Amino acid sequence: EVQLVASGGGLVQPGGSLRLSCAVSGFTFSSYWMHWVRQAPGKGLVWVSRINSDGSRLSYADSMKGRFTISRDNAKNTLYLQMNSLRAEDTAVYYCARDASFRVGVIDYYYGMDVWGQGTTVTVSS
Amino acid sequence: SYELTQPPSVSVSPGQTARITCSGDALPKHYSHWYQQKPGQAPVLVIYRDSERPSRIPERFSGSNSGTTVTLTISGVQAEDEADYYCHSTDNTDTYVVFGGGTKLTVL
Repeated sequence: EVQLVASGGGLVQPGGSLRLSCAVSGFTFSSYWMHWVRQAPGKGLVWVSRINSDGSRLSYADSMKGRFTISRDNAKNTLYLQMNSLRAEDTAVYYCARDASFRVGVIDYYYGMDVWGQGTTVTVSS
Repeated sequence: SYELTQPPSVSVSPGQTARITCSGDALPKHYSHWYQQKPGQAPVLVIYRDSERPSRIPERFSGSNSGTTVTLTISGVQAEDEADYYCHSTDNTDTYVVFGGGTKLTVL
């Protein structure tokens, strides 16, 4: 069974840091792009970051750039999100998601986020 | 920054057809994907690459692309289809991933 299990959320003070993890199983992790997507209480989905299958291409939403770092350990089948300088507006449920997209040469072939984890809650408050 | 625009809400009666639109300048160049999210649950992919349907998704879900607007169509809407629906695509630089603001589908 394909599974994504996110963890690492919690209560943190403004300016603090957290490291989220997403442990995957049931598929070949090293073959897939991965994303972090967040959802503030009562709000819509917001894309946070993307990493390609070997970790060589990283992308971030503008509001997270410079504060958040996405990474992966293909040997451990785990995706990470290091979050620094946290703000109240970063309070949200953070989902990890698998992406079946891939690149051939310089062309990306997009297939959408086909598997999602259950989410981990991050609360930034004093 | 790039944006995808969806109507905040759509309402239909059971058995009718629901159409949810998503507009964006880069949609003629980039595929769209659609997600269903029910309260307290993670999103589920219901349409990918404009009109492809994952095997586990009922046939009543379909998608189409007409340039800068893509449409998710749910034919013969059922009560269980009541949920929030989000479109997703990429900007013209292939750098940023974007979600639409979401559409709440209400089954009357």
